[in-house]
Parts: sequence; structure tokens; C-alpha cells
Amino acid sequence: AQSVTQLGSHVSVSEGALVLLRCNYSSSVPPYLFWYVQYPNQGLQLLLKYTTGATLVKGINGFEAEFKKSETSFHLTKPSAHMSDAAEYFCAVSEWGNTPLVFGKGTRLSVIA
Amino acid sequence: KAGVTQTPRYLIKTRGQQVTLSCSPISGHRSVSWYQQTPGQGLQFLFEYFSETQRNKGNFPGRFSGRQFSNSRSEMNVSTLELGDSALYLCASSLGGHSSGGTDTQYFGPGTRLTVL
Repeated sequence: AQSVTQLGSHVSVSEGALVLLRCNYSSSVPPYLFWYVQYPNQGLQLLLKYTTGATLVKGINGFEAEFKKSETSFHLTKPSAHMSDAAEYFCAVSEWGNTPLVFGKGTRLSVIA
Repeated sequence: KAGVTQTPRYLIKTRGQQVTLSCSPISGHRSVSWYQQTPGQGLQFLFEYFSETQRNKGNFPGRFSGRQFSNSRSEMNVSTLELGDSALYLCASSLGGHSSGGTDTQYFGPGTRLTVL
């Protein structure tokens, strides 16, 4: 069975600092990996996804993530945090095709001025 | 292209009542999935419909049901509401065909916030 672990339920960074949100997964088959962001009282917005090919994936709003099979990780980074990045971030995994997304518990990102 | 829409956005019900939530997918998307989001359990998959047929089902009791219409719009119903059903219910749509393989990205609506008193 698939599972996702997000290390740190809450991460706080200063404006302009590096953002690093950690995600580890387990899957019995090559996974498809996603990062979603959720702003207060809103649904989930796709930041980026890894399916096949290049392991460094670039997303919206300056975020990127790297798929590391040997470490079963898909950490999300952004070089310089902005106040508008404050939100909840979810890592998710699915197997081939149209299997349901399995989400991590989420990481709340706070950005301090 | 319009995104996923969900109605209503907010609902307040009392225990024992039933409720129906509606989801309109992105035009051209044939798959609709439903997720429940609570502070304690996080995001959990309820079920998925594709071409009016339930294709996947999560681990929820039979009080939770759904259906999909020929225009791909979907509804979910919760009968005999319990306090623990208070949650944000999210609908996601995707193209859904098996030929799209792992690139079948799910796009989420804003959710329906259900409060059970």
C-alpha cells in the first residue's frame, strides 16, 4: 500500500529564506508524485507533479521538487520565501493510471517578515 | 476554461439528516473523485466515478454514496449524518481515461464545508 510522510507539521521561515518541505513516500510500484497547496478556505491547487523523465520538476510560483528514488523522497523547495507562500502544503502519491491520490498529513508553512 | 465548481460552499445540518453535495467538473473531464478533509484524519479518498460508473472506492461506510450523470457532473450523498461527518468535502476532476496513464492530474474544486450539529 502506498503512504506518504511529511516531516514537520509546521515549518516557519523568514521572508527571503529558503523553503524546504520534506516528503517521503512508499510505493510498491514506480510512483507518480504531486505537491498541492491549500490557502485558507480554498481547495487544493496543483504546484507540480512528477510522472516520468526528468527528476527535477519545476512548478508554479518558483517552487521545484526533486524525485530521489534511492531516498524515496520528493522534497519541495523554493529559494526565497514570500509572504504569499504562507499556506498548507500537501504531498501526494498515486500509482499507475487513475488510482486515487494518497496524501500526507500536510505541512503548514509560515513566513515571517 | 472554467475550473471545478462545487455547490453549496457551506452547509449546516443536524445529526440524523441527510445531505447532497454537487460537483461540476472541468469541461471535457470524465472522472470525478471525492475526498474528505478533517483536521484529525487529513485528506481521505471517498470514491471515484468515471463514465457514470464507480471505479474506485475508499474505506467509508455505506452512508456515503455518490453518482455521476451523463454530463459528468457528480453528486455525493451522506445519510444519517453524524457529528464526525463535519468536514471539508473536496471534489476533483481529471480526464480519466486509462490511456492518460500516470499523467492524469486531478484538479480540485473549492470544497463544501459541512457542519453537523
